[in-house]
Amino acid sequence: DIQMTQSPSSLSASVGDNVTVTCRASQSISRSLNWYQQKLGKAPKLLIYAASSLQSDVPSRFSGSGSGTDFTLIISSLQPEDFATYYCQQSWKTPGTFGQGTKVDIK
Amino acid sequence: QLQLRESGPGLVKPSETLSLTCIVSGDSIVSGIYYWGWIRQPPEKGLEWIGNVYSSGSPYYNPSLKGRVTISADMSKNQFSLRLSSVTAADTAVYYCARQITKWTTDFWGPGTLVTVSS
Repeated sequence: DIQMTQSPSSLSASVGDNVTVTCRASQSISRSLNWYQQKLGKAPKLLIYAASSLQSDVPSRFSGSGSGTDFTLIISSLQPEDFATYYCQQSWKTPGTFGQGTKVDIK
Repeated sequence: QLQLRESGPGLVKPSETLSLTCIVSGDSIVSGIYYWGWIRQPPEKGLEWIGNVYSSGSPYYNPSLKGRVTISADMSKNQFSLRLSSVTAADTAVYYCARQITKWTTDFWGPGTLVTVSS
């Protein structure tokens, strides 16, 4: 299986900060990379698909980039509602493995 | 407006079969546009794609569960189901049913249901 490794596992940030989360695949996955946000006790929500395409109704402060094995999620000017856990997922081949998650909490 | 709702027992005994149904409203699973599938999340852990079914085609499964998992669709009732046999404590998780725009990309999730495997 393709392994997905996120870093950091957790980070503390303040409202207004710019936050960067990285995701590395164990082999090239082209641009087949999704990002999800999960708040406590809730189902995940798709933020970005195909590495950089913003899902409808997702604020433009979320952006994604990368290709091959290295990908980045950037949250510009962190808002209170952005404190959550973020997961990357490869959509290149079965079984569509997820990263272990990055928890963003309040500094 | 699309709604997905998982239905089934919250407690299953070890070695028995876990059965869940996802009731879909606001969209048709026979449309041939989306995959309809399942994802699970053990307590305090990450996400695992279980598998899905596309319209009336063959299902797709996570190889790590192959042999134990069956996903099927009931077009007449607009719902789809998950069966996982020979469960152990490792299968304890929140199970989400989902609509997927590709085989693995989930654009809509049900609220999830916790299934605990315990005697």
